[in-house]
Amino acid sequence: AQTVTQSQPEMSVQEAETVTLSCTYDTSESDYYLFWYKQPPSRQMILVIRQEAYKQQNATENRFSVNFQKAAKSFSLKISDSQLGDAAMYFCAYRSGTGFQKLVFGTGTRLLVSP
Amino acid sequence: DGGITQSPKYLFRKEGQNVTLSCEQNLNHDAMYWYRQDPGQGLRLIYYSQIVNDFQKGDIAEGYSVSREKKESFPLTVTSAQKNPTAFYLCASSLAGASYNEQFFGPGTRLTVL
Repeated sequence: AQTVTQSQPEMSVQEAETVTLSCTYDTSESDYYLFWYKQPPSRQMILVIRQEAYKQQNATENRFSVNFQKAAKSFSLKISDSQLGDAAMYFCAYRSGTGFQKLVFGTGTRLLVSP
Repeated sequence: DGGITQSPKYLFRKEGQNVTLSCEQNLNHDAMYWYRQDPGQGLRLIYYSQIVNDFQKGDIAEGYSVSREKKESFPLTVTSAQKNPTAFYLCASSLAGASYNEQFFGPGTRLTVL
């Protein structure tokens, strides 16, 4: 079974600074997707960014980018120019590229942003 | 506006009672999902449905039941057999199929057992 590990329960960053959230995963599959979801205090889950395992190029969405290391099974999220609105829980998730679209989530990292 | 609605936002239940959480979507999605979220844990899959009148157990289905009589609706019943039902419940939906389809989440229901 696939597992997703987020080893940082909480991270802090100052506005305008850069922060990196870590995620590792375990799988024997070669075809899969990885995601970062944001859960603000409203608790609505919002997709931040996704990465297809077959793509070597790291995904980027505005201030959010990933460092995908397939061999190391590592998938970190970098937030540049942090804003107060980035404060939230961030979840890393895995989905197999074949069959049913089950998402496997990590335990989350709480990001605190200070002025 | 297209989206997923969950009701109620907060729900209180006495021990021994069954309770049903509502999930409705107007995104014309075939697949729907129920997740449970506990403090310090990620989301865990309870049940999912890829088509009307069909559903499968997820990782933590014991003490829960679902139905999928309409494409738009996927209600979750928390039964008295669920030993620790206090949690935050999230419903999601997506297009079906093997290729990537984003899951969209509802706003959630907070269930508290008194």
